[in-house]
Amino acid sequence: ETGVTQTPRHLVMGMTNKKSLKCEQHLGHNAMYWYKQSAKKPLELMFVYNFKEQTENNSVPSRFSPECPNSSHLFLHLHTLQPEDSALYLCASSQETLAGGLRETQYFGPGTRLLVL
Amino acid sequence: LAKTTQPISMDSYEGQEVNITCSHNNIATNDYITWYQQFPSQGPRFIIQGYKTKVTNEVASLFIPADRKSSTLSLPRVSLSDTAVYYCLVGSTGRRALTFGSGTRLQVQP
Repeated sequence: ETGVTQTPRHLVMGMTNKKSLKCEQHLGHNAMYWYKQSAKKPLELMFVYNFKEQTENNSVPSRFSPECPNSSHLFLHLHTLQPEDSALYLCASSQETLAGGLRETQYFGPGTRLLVL
Repeated sequence: LAKTTQPISMDSYEGQEVNITCSHNNIATNDYITWYQQFPSQGPRFIIQGYKTKVTNEVASLFIPADRKSSTLSLPRVSLSDTAVYYCLVGSTGRRALTFGSGTRLQVQP
């Protein structure tokens, strides 16, 4: 049990659908991340939230819209996706400090396997 | 961010020691070295982290030479369940997320 849960675990959607992925961390962390992992490719960082504020957006298309209502929850809203968006979407969390220091471990959820038809 | 280079794949047998080396020639002074393990269709799992010399925990050891331009993850007596992709990451402090490379796919056979 990693302390990071993701729902749904599997999702099939058409290109005109709107859906949302949910992530919840039970670790008391203050930073949360969305990653995308396509088949046989490295993990790609999509978004980073520190202290509920988005601090990084790695040139992600606008059809992906993140939302972080509090430090424990992270959403990824999906609309008008393309088949090439089919991938494993992973959420992670960590405890970041403003003063710096040893990089904290990122804890990952089990992921949502998304298939866009 | 420091770029890392790892072998694409490795094969081993149960009970053997496996050493996976990662190169990170442009590692910065403040960077730490972290290794993650990922099973298919699961999120990566933290294995070990270090800055210099040697770090050991219940799962693995991490060897880092004095110049810190490379690191070696050592898995003692691997089993079939150690079959996974292993990622070497280099990152520093601050509000920056880590960058995952292609990783090393370890296949352990009976």
